[in-house]
Amino acid sequence: DAGVIQSPRHEVTEMGQEVTLRCKPISGHDYLFWYRQTMMRGLELLIYFNNNVPIDDSGMPEDRFSAKMPNASFSTLKIQPSEPRDSAVYFCASSSAGKGRGEQYFGPGTRLTVT
Amino acid sequence: RKEVEQDPGPFNVPEGATVAFNCTYSNSASQSFFWYRQDCRKEPKLLMSVYSSGNEDGRFTAQLNRASQYISLLIRDSKLSDSATYLCVVNGVNTGFQKLVFGTGTRLLVSP
Repeated sequence: DAGVIQSPRHEVTEMGQEVTLRCKPISGHDYLFWYRQTMMRGLELLIYFNNNVPIDDSGMPEDRFSAKMPNASFSTLKIQPSEPRDSAVYFCASSSAGKGRGEQYFGPGTRLTVT
Repeated sequence: RKEVEQDPGPFNVPEGATVAFNCTYSNSASQSFFWYRQDCRKEPKLLMSVYSSGNEDGRFTAQLNRASQYISLLIRDSKLSDSATYLCVVNGVNTGFQKLVFGTGTRLLVSP
């Protein structure tokens, strides 16, 4: 079975540019999570969706960040405009309320560098 | 106080050693507990769930102490391939069963 798919795997961009990260969750999973990981702050939850609806976006740093989930198999995280402090690894994860005990399965991540 | 606290390590052990990690959590109403493993520059991967009665998976044993609000992971007969960061994870009760809270991880280095 395919796991969580993320693209691109690496992104290098200049400050001020728009960045769009993409995620395809595991088929049948009804929860999708976006995380950011840095050495200084560890793994931070940015936002999560249930059945394509945003449930909690309290972790989104500021208005420059936005996330959408137009359907059950696709989500985007957009940063506009990007800043050097946004450099981090961004992970997408998914889980199923109907299976297990809330385990989340992570994609390989997008390593973002903003210069 | 952090919701999940772990000793960051690193724990340096020789191959074949037994090593144990502990973690504490602050929300007594948490219901689901996990250990994840994260290799350098990779994504976190589920290692095992932690059940109230304790559970074992090969060389790995997880224990939960609800009274003291701590979770442990024991690794027996350490292998070089066990070198990684181990993340203690609990569900965020007040914000939904599906939301997980991750500790900052304990780094393990197994040497020949």
